[in-house]
Amino acid sequence: DSGVTQTPKHLITATGQRVTLRCSPRSGDLSVYWYQQSLDQGLQFLIQYYNGEERAKGNILERFSAQQFPDLHSELNLSSLELGDSALYFCASSVARRDTQYFGPGTRLTVL
Amino acid sequence: GENVEQHPSTLSVQEGDSAVIKCTYSDSASNYFPWYKQELGKRPQLIIDIRSNVGEKKDQRIAVTLNKTAKHFSLHITETQPEDSAVYFCAASLPGAGSYQLTFGKGTKLSVIP
Repeated sequence: DSGVTQTPKHLITATGQRVTLRCSPRSGDLSVYWYQQSLDQGLQFLIQYYNGEERAKGNILERFSAQQFPDLHSELNLSSLELGDSALYFCASSVARRDTQYFGPGTRLTVL
Repeated sequence: GENVEQHPSTLSVQEGDSAVIKCTYSDSASNYFPWYKQELGKRPQLIIDIRSNVGEKKDQRIAVTLNKTAKHFSLHITETQPEDSAVYFCAASLPGAGSYQLTFGKGTKLSVIP
């Protein structure tokens, strides 16, 4: 157990819908990262937050957004869902001064 | 941006043999190189990492080597066991102002045959 928690574990929804994925970092970690893992694209970095502020953006679609709250948990919002958004979504956290990232158990999103 | 190539994509070894997975990166400014092990349907789990000021690091049966000149790094697993079977990912991280995003290789599926 890495100490990073994610909810829900599984999510099944329809095209065009909107969902919210939640992540709680390890105690003391200020940085949260979101990754998407699909069979064809592998593990892709989406976005990073540090202490409530956006710090880096990767291959995140405009339909996706995220935020980090004062209690440091983070939410990833996915809207206008398409079949191709079906994937495993992981969050990871780290202590700001270090690079070591610890991954949560992931949320498996299925878009039908 | 950074680009990480990983080889081979699949690797089968006999139990007790060694396994080597290689990665190359494109940006010489990258300074942190972790390796993750992922079992089917589970989270990536950090197994070892190395920073650019170190050439080699070892942890029991696992070792990582880094060649900054050639921009490649390798994972070595000795005395492989069936429980080592998983997908292994290498990654590279560029330094930046508060940004430590990882660029991952495509993964290597390791199968250890009993």
